[in-house]
Amino acid sequence: AQTVTQSQPEMSVQEAETVTLSCTYDTSESNYYLFWYKQPPSRQMILVIRQEAYKQQNATENRFSVNFQKAAKSFSLKISDSQLGDTAMYFCAFMMETGNNRKLIWGLGTSLAVNP
Amino acid sequence: ETGVTQSPTHLIKTRGQQVTLRCSSQSGHNTVSWYQQALGQGPQFIFQYYREEENGRGNFPPRFSGLQFPNYSSELNVNALELDDSALYLCASSPQDSYYGYTFGSGTRLTVV
Repeated sequence: AQTVTQSQPEMSVQEAETVTLSCTYDTSESNYYLFWYKQPPSRQMILVIRQEAYKQQNATENRFSVNFQKAAKSFSLKISDSQLGDTAMYFCAFMMETGNNRKLIWGLGTSLAVNP
Repeated sequence: ETGVTQSPTHLIKTRGQQVTLRCSSQSGHNTVSWYQQALGQGPQFIFQYYREEENGRGNFPPRFSGLQFPNYSSELNVNALELDDSALYLCASSPQDSYYGYTFGSGTRLTVV
């Protein structure tokens, strides 16, 4: 069964510094998709970054980048130049496809606090 | 372009009652998925609808049911509410052929007392 593990329940970082959130997953599939979502107090899940497993190049979106290690089944998120608005829960998710159905398998999340 | 909207935002129900939650998908999105997020947990997949039919279901009992309408909006119905059904219910929409993640609504916070 596919599982997603986030081993850091809480993290904090000073404004303008860099922080890395960890995520590991387990799957027997060879092609899949991985995501990081941000959930601020407004509760809406916001897509931060995505990675296609068949791409070796790590995805980057402005201050957000991933370190995707397919063999190790690791998918960490690096936030550079942290801003106060980055304070939120961060969830790592794996997209599983069965026939015409796709669903996301989620980790338990990491609560990130950016301190002034 | 409007995003995903859910209603109501908060709801309090009594154990044994029935509840209906609503979701309007983002323009151009024909697939709607529902997730349950208990406090302090990651979301759990309930089911997905495409072309008004359920085409995937997670590990939830039959008292969780849904509908999708021709305009792609959706409802989640829960019968015989239990205390453990208290959670944030998230709706997400996407194009059927998309692997680029979903657009989520802000959820409905359901409290069962």
